[in-house]
Amino acid sequence: AAGVIQSPRHLIKEKRETATLKCYPIPRHDTVYWYQQGPGQDPQFLISFYEKMQSDKGSIPDRFSAQQFSDYHSELNMSSLELGDSALYFCASSLAGQGQMNTEAFFGQGTRLTVV
Amino acid sequence: AQSVAQPEDQVNVAEGNPLTVKCTYSVSGNPYLFWYVQYPNRGLQFLLKYITGDNLVKGSYGFEAEFNKSQTSFHLKKPSALVSDSALYFCATYNFNKFYFGSGTKLNVKP
Repeated sequence: AAGVIQSPRHLIKEKRETATLKCYPIPRHDTVYWYQQGPGQDPQFLISFYEKMQSDKGSIPDRFSAQQFSDYHSELNMSSLELGDSALYFCASSLAGQGQMNTEAFFGQGTRLTVV
Repeated sequence: AQSVAQPEDQVNVAEGNPLTVKCTYSVSGNPYLFWYVQYPNRGLQFLLKYITGDNLVKGSYGFEAEFNKSQTSFHLKKPSALVSDSALYFCATYNFNKFYFGSGTKLNVKP
């Protein structure tokens, strides 16, 4: 079965550079989530989209932005990168529907971003 | 506010013994509870969920979890642990368009 695909798997950037992370959700899933997981930490919610519209926003820095495109793939854009942005970034998708809570999210394998 | 707590950073168990990974929740409204497992450098894999119905939920790889409303708990269990079960386990709740994760419990199963 198709899973959530994230690219690239690994990314090394220098401070103050920009990075773009891509996420391809499971076909027909209507909700995409982005999470950031620092070393030894639990995943922290960044942002979510339902049917290509932003549905919720968490602790996402102003330097970050995200969008979901007409084909439902999503991109997380990160500018002016800082050392503290080094983390594992997960994308997840679900067939949640707005306000529906009876479905699990399926996670991609993540993009490991290292800022040097 | 929605939250889940995992009181143990690490759980050690011998192969073949039963295992329990603890989770308590604090949610407004009906709880929607999940367990995920994470292997090193991998994404989170769904194990099981509680939405409504039977308090004992069965999931993947022989895992099960018991929902206890009076104790606001959702502990993950397995009757007989395998070395391959060694991983990081996250409890989560879902509300208002996002998942809230616990801090994770590292499960070590020794041969």
